[in-house]
Amino acid sequence: IVLTQSPDFQSVTPKEKVTITCRASQDIGSSLHWYQQKPDQSPKLLIKYSSESVSGVPSRFSGRGSGTDFTLTINSPEAEDAATYYCHQSSSVPLTFGGGTKVEIK
Amino acid sequence: EVQLVESGGDLVQPGGSLRLSCEASGFTLGYNFISWVRQAPGKGLEWVSVFYSGGGTYYADSVKGRFTISRDNSKNTVYLQMNRLRVEDTALYFCARDVASRGLGCFDLWGRGTRVTVSS
Repeated sequence: IVLTQSPDFQSVTPKEKVTITCRASQDIGSSLHWYQQKPDQSPKLLIKYSSESVSGVPSRFSGRGSGTDFTLTINSPEAEDAATYYCHQSSSVPLTFGGGTKVEIK
Repeated sequence: EVQLVESGGDLVQPGGSLRLSCEASGFTLGYNFISWVRQAPGKGLEWVSVFYSGGGTYYADSVKGRFTISRDNSKNTVYLQMNRLRVEDTALYFCARDVASRGLGCFDLWGRGTRVTVSS
């Protein structure tokens, strides 16, 4: 299953909203998860099963979608949200990741 | 503290072998699915292999037949035996935990990674 993320890069101010999309090449139900990775750090789970919140993750992060189209939204992003974001599908093996979206906060 | 710690990365020549280790602390590794995920320099994440709690395994096509994943419950450790290494295997290798509450799921815990460089 191929996951196609867009855009590759997004630059926003703290007053704007970050929207990242992830499209699956086939129906994966809600088996789609989002991670944040900062330079020289391991990925960190942000959202699981498309829209379920993860303990300790700020509420400005949210996800939605099912089937083939998914979205990660960051409302009122903060400077610390500058990172690369990846989607990941667990519907079937081989597990796959999207190509990543680098987010810059101006 | 609940954590995963990888080790074993090194510089190796093409065609060589390495064994990576992923040691868990603070939880029983055997109750979870453990995957290896790699990241080539400046690139994205690539899933490599999984060891299911029941003992089954699966591999990405890019490593099938060259890499073998295994587990030692007594040491609370998962291994990745990497043979016939290629330049394109150069990456930071992470191990990650999937609590598998609904079958294959998300990775809620990651190690810090161990670096493998394949070069002559």
